[in-house]
Amino acid sequence: DGGITQSPKYLFRKEGQNVTLSCEQNLNHDAMYWYRQDPGQGLRLIYYSQIVNDFQKGDIAEGYSVSREKKESFPLTVTSAQKNPTAFYLCASTKGGSNQPQHFGDGTRLSIL
Amino acid sequence: AQTVTQSQPEMSVQEAETVTLSCTYDTSENNYYLFWYKQPPSRQMILVIRQEAYKQQNATENRFSVNFQKAAKSFSLKISDSQLGDTAMYFCASPAIRTQGGSEKLVFGKGTKLTVNP
Repeated sequence: DGGITQSPKYLFRKEGQNVTLSCEQNLNHDAMYWYRQDPGQGLRLIYYSQIVNDFQKGDIAEGYSVSREKKESFPLTVTSAQKNPTAFYLCASTKGGSNQPQHFGDGTRLSIL
Repeated sequence: AQTVTQSQPEMSVQEAETVTLSCTYDTSENNYYLFWYKQPPSRQMILVIRQEAYKQQNATENRFSVNFQKAAKSFSLKISDSQLGDTAMYFCASPAIRTQGGSEKLVFGKGTKLTVNP
């Protein structure tokens, strides 16, 4: 079955360390998104990509970086510059077009050691 | 800035009863789609229903229906015959930008935590 796979499910970061969250989709979707979810905040957009080798900052991009070298993959790196990384991270994709809903992965929970 | 407001942080309902979750949004688009997502305790985001803004008819999916008021920019979700499995966070979302490629950025509300009591 097609879907979005996020890994790992849980991740711990040490002080000063960069960590990378994986997101892979086999839905042949063009657009992919990364969201951060904090209690009481809903989903906030970090980065998004509409095509391979291109991506744009979302509302809270500081301290994060992404790449889109393949259509099916959109990894997110949480850098040491992100001082409050503890959150639940969701990856999503969409075929494109204003009538298409976003499909979500199961999320990664990132915590500071 | 485009915003989505869910004014009810928490709600509860008895099993088998009906509950309505409210949502208002702000967009400069003329043609767009609106979405309700459900996030149960497993934290998976599940699409509940979507509404085409240029259609006057309210969308319905089994026990879920919307009351869409375009002029008021209101998009409420009605859950009929509530079931214990409906216990979840519910998020309303509207498009933020319509891009040339057709892909959308979505703006999400902060969510309503719904508890269905037996």
